[in-house]
Amino acid sequence: KQEVTQIPAALSVPEGENLVLNCSFTDSAIYNLQWFRQDPGKGLTSLLLIQSSQREQTSGRLNASLDKSSGRSTLYIAASQPGDSATYLCAVRRYSGAGSYQLTFGKGTKLSVIP
Amino acid sequence: GAGVSQTPSNKVTEKGKYVELRCDPISGHTALYWYRQSLGQGPEFLIYFQGTGAADDSGLPNDRFFAVRPEGSVSTLKIQRTERGDSAVYLCASSFGSSSGNTIYFGEGSWLTVV
Repeated sequence: KQEVTQIPAALSVPEGENLVLNCSFTDSAIYNLQWFRQDPGKGLTSLLLIQSSQREQTSGRLNASLDKSSGRSTLYIAASQPGDSATYLCAVRRYSGAGSYQLTFGKGTKLSVIP
Repeated sequence: GAGVSQTPSNKVTEKGKYVELRCDPISGHTALYWYRQSLGQGPEFLIYFQGTGAADDSGLPNDRFFAVRPEGSVSTLKIQRTERGDSAVYLCASSFGSSSGNTIYFGEGSWLTVV
């Protein structure tokens, strides 16, 4: 059974600092990995999608890496801003064996950027 | 539509009642997913539709839960004889096709509280 772990569970940083969020998964047989952002009381916003054949993806101040063989991904946020405060969720895409390519999520890292 | 739309956004119901939650996916997206997110947890898979049929319902917790997508677009998640443990955010997501490489887009969720 695929398990996804995110460390730390919560993180507080001063504005302007660079930071790294970690995600690990137990089964390396994944198709891709997706990072999401969730604001309080809101749904999930897709940030970055890394295919299993890729090593990293970048979007603006965000950079996500994937090391499939070791079961790890990191999300790097440069020059953090108060507006980055949210919960960040990592999810891996795998074949369920029952007809679908499902996402398995971690519990998320709650990020607070202090002005 | 521009994004995945879910109604109602909030629902409070009494234990034992019947509830319907509606999802309108992004136009042109054939794949539709339902996930459930409990407080402090990551979303968990419930059911997947490709077109009109439920291709994978392995995540439904018991037979009180049922979902339909009669015309291959809008989907309804139905919960019978609700229990307090059903309280959660019910998230709908869609993607363009069922390929493992497609980005999955989530709606804002329906927040269900059973009292």
